[in-house]
Amino acid sequence: DAGVTQSPTHLIKTRGQHVTLRCSPISGHKSVSWYQQVLGQGPQFIFQYYEKEERGRGNFPDRFSARQFPNYSSELNVNALLLGDSALYLCASSLGQNHNEQFFGPGTRLTVL
Amino acid sequence: LAKTTQPISMDSYEGQEVNITCSHNNIATNDYITWYQQFPSQGPRFIIQGYKTKVTNEVASLFIPADRKSSTLSLPRVSLSDTAVYYCLVGASYNNAGNMLTFGGGTRLMVKP
Repeated sequence: DAGVTQSPTHLIKTRGQHVTLRCSPISGHKSVSWYQQVLGQGPQFIFQYYEKEERGRGNFPDRFSARQFPNYSSELNVNALLLGDSALYLCASSLGQNHNEQFFGPGTRLTVL
Repeated sequence: LAKTTQPISMDSYEGQEVNITCSHNNIATNDYITWYQQFPSQGPRFIIQGYKTKVTNEVASLFIPADRKSSTLSLPRVSLSDTAVYYCLVGASYNNAGNMLTFGGGTRLMVKP
């Protein structure tokens, strides 16, 4: 079985642009969470989605938004990119809303110039 | 959320047992202790979770003293492939409410030949 997949693998953007990152959870998993990992630090929680609804939100500005589709895949959108948004963006899936044994994807490396 | 403190880095040699200790003085009664492993350019991977005393699986052991203010992840006979960052997390159990994982800085383990 395939694990969590994310696309693209790498992305380079310039300040002020918009970016969309995509995630496909493990088959049968209904919960998707997004994390931002800046180089040298641990991942920081951004969002959790379950059954297409936002169920949790971390301390991130409104420039960050996400959604989940009927097939449980998810998109993370970031508007008005800043240099500080450069990071590895991780997607994790789990069976349900209340399961925190999460399975992470390989991440999308975003570089903002 | 309980804050965790871990050593920033540790060195070991192949075949040795490695013990990584995590301090969590403000752990709450309902909190569990979970350890994740992360290789470069990959998402974190669940290793082990426990509440008290000792938990063992095929990968590691987790020792938790009676006061639960610290915990020790034990990796038996490490190999070069165990070189990674290890994160200690404190929070809801994997089958309890909440899906947000709070990562600290982690411990960077370097295994040498």
